[in-house]
Amino acid sequence: EDQVTQSPEALRLQEGESSSLNCSYTVSGLRGLFWYRQDPGKGPEFLFTLYSAGEEKEKERLKATLTKKESFLHITAPKPEDSATYLCAVRLRGTSGSRLTFGEGTQLTVNP
Amino acid sequence: KAGVTQTPRYLIKTRGQQVTLSCSPISGHRSVSWYQQTPGQGLQFLFEYFSETQRNKGNFPGRFSGRQFSNSRSEMNVSTLELGDSALYLCASSPTEGLWGNSPLHFGNGTRLTVT
Repeated sequence: EDQVTQSPEALRLQEGESSSLNCSYTVSGLRGLFWYRQDPGKGPEFLFTLYSAGEEKEKERLKATLTKKESFLHITAPKPEDSATYLCAVRLRGTSGSRLTFGEGTQLTVNP
Repeated sequence: KAGVTQTPRYLIKTRGQQVTLSCSPISGHRSVSWYQQTPGQGLQFLFEYFSETQRNKGNFPGRFSGRQFSNSRSEMNVSTLELGDSALYLCASSPTEGLWGNSPLHFGNGTRLTVT
């Protein structure tokens, strides 16, 4: 069965304390892996797409990487405004474009 | 460019009633999909529409249905509501790339449905 697992479930950091979120997947074939940020009461906001192992994407304090079995979202020197739930999702080979399988998310809190 | 717009934002219904949710995709996006988000199950795929045709459906009962109009706007309907249908319903759109496109989905802020 195709599975996406995110860890940790929750992470509390001090402002400036860098860390990484993990998304591991067990799937039959990967077409793409997506990272989203979700704030309370809002829909997921797209951050990154990764398509193949070894690929990296960066945006401000965030950097996403992909291996054959997992993806990491590295947060460098986080600020309180980075507090949110971070979701990863995979698009599987053989499924049409809009069908994504999501992980449960990591709830990140950054204290000032 | 306006994002994905969902109406209404909040809805309270009673068990047994039916409900219709509306979604307007980003201009130019012809693919629309719907997801259910609950604390226990996370985001679960409901169905997707492209050019007014349902091309994929998730593991939900037939009480959940949808449609897409010629202007790409979409509606989702849930009949005979149950308490377990309480959730955040999210609509997403993506650019027109055909069935095997690989662009990201762009989500609206959802409709919060509470069934009492």
